[in-house]
Amino acid sequence: DTEVTQTPKHLVMGMTNKKSLKCEQHMGHRAMYWYKQKAKKPPELMFVYSYEKLSINESVPSRFSPECPNSSLLNLHLHALQPEDSALYLCASSQAGGNTEAFFGQGTRLTVV
Amino acid sequence: GENVEQHPSTLSVQEGDSAVIKCTYSDSASNYFPWYKQELGKRPQLIIDIRSNVGEKKDQRIAVTLNKTAKHFSLHITETQPEDSAVYFCAASILSGTYKYIFGTGTRLKVLA
Repeated sequence: DTEVTQTPKHLVMGMTNKKSLKCEQHMGHRAMYWYKQKAKKPPELMFVYSYEKLSINESVPSRFSPECPNSSLLNLHLHALQPEDSALYLCASSQAGGNTEAFFGQGTRLTVV
Repeated sequence: GENVEQHPSTLSVQEGDSAVIKCTYSDSASNYFPWYKQELGKRPQLIIDIRSNVGEKKDQRIAVTLNKTAKHFSLHITETQPEDSAVYFCAASILSGTYKYIFGTGTRLKVLA
């Protein structure tokens, strides 16, 4: 199984809502990532978890809150988002160590209204 | 700082011709360089990668070359086909406590039939 599965595929939320994005992998990967991708731009790193611990936060606003409940799951909790946060949110996983392929999920297309 | 530059931003070639995309990275400690293809509305997918102990790698019509001294790496696609049309991203792994992947700005490749 070389799949990274993200749910939901699409999400529309108001600026006062709280929602969560979910990501799951069963490849035994111990590094998991959240990326944000705006149209016609590259994926932009938000967070890195290594062995279920948050190891990198790329100065992401606190309205985005990541969580790694176990080695297979990664969540991104969203609260009080702004319209400019609308984007494709991609989850990825890889073997810990940095010189191996990162597998991407299909993404969650988020629209903030 | 951590930076991966990618050129050109758009590239149009005739079917059957070759395409070359070039990237430059800033962190001399980077040791892994993947290339991803992203079709419209889909996830980035790895097409080829190279590690810092290798100068060149080939997989059928796709090849990647790495010049560690100049901190350059390039993607070469030969005998291009319409299905090669997509956005291509180079990336470099960077150690910042743990490893992370920084993406280049992307190249939109159009293969004209």
